[in-house]
Amino acid sequence: KQEVTQIPAALSVPEGENLVLNCSFTDSAIYNLQWFRQDPGKGLTSLLLIQSSQREQTSGRLNASLDKSSGRSTLYIAASQPGDSATYLCAESSGGGADGLTFGKGTHLIIQP
Amino acid sequence: NAGVTQTPKFRILKIGQSMTLQCTQDMNHNYMYWYRQDPGMGLKLIYYSVGAGITDKGEVPNGYNVSRSTTEDFPLRLELAAPSQTSVYFCASRTSGRANEQFFGPGTRLTVL
Repeated sequence: KQEVTQIPAALSVPEGENLVLNCSFTDSAIYNLQWFRQDPGKGLTSLLLIQSSQREQTSGRLNASLDKSSGRSTLYIAASQPGDSATYLCAESSGGGADGLTFGKGTHLIIQP
Repeated sequence: NAGVTQTPKFRILKIGQSMTLQCTQDMNHNYMYWYRQDPGMGLKLIYYSVGAGITDKGEVPNGYNVSRSTTEDFPLRLELAAPSQTSVYFCASRTSGRANEQFFGPGTRLTVL
């Protein structure tokens, strides 16, 4: 059974700081890794998807990296804003088949104004 | 496109009652998924489908049933509700291509008393 771990479980930083969220996975045959944002009481919004053949993906102030050899992914948020406050989930997919995603428990992020 | 839609948004059931959670997507995706999310936890896969008429079990299928008669719809059935099924349920879909990005609905919050 594959496992995904996210550290820290919660993080609070002042507005304007750059920050890194961590995700580790046990699947050596990972196909891709997806980062999501979840606001309280809401669904999941896809932020970035990294294929196993890629090293990183960027979207605006967000940059996600993937290191298969170490089983790690990071989500870098530049110049954080209060609107970035949410829970961030990472999830991995194995083998490119139909199976669903394996999720971490998330990092609850608070950006202090 | 409306994307992935789910009904109802909220529901309270008594132990032993039955209900169907509805999920519809208008993106012509072949693959559809049902997940549940318990408080403070990541999502766990209940069932998935790779096309009309084809379904398969995920990690936590006990107590649930699914059907897939059309590409658009993927209902989840709870036959005898139990308190352990209190959770938030998310439906997701994706194409069968290599990109594998999953798109999520807004969720159904279910309480069993």
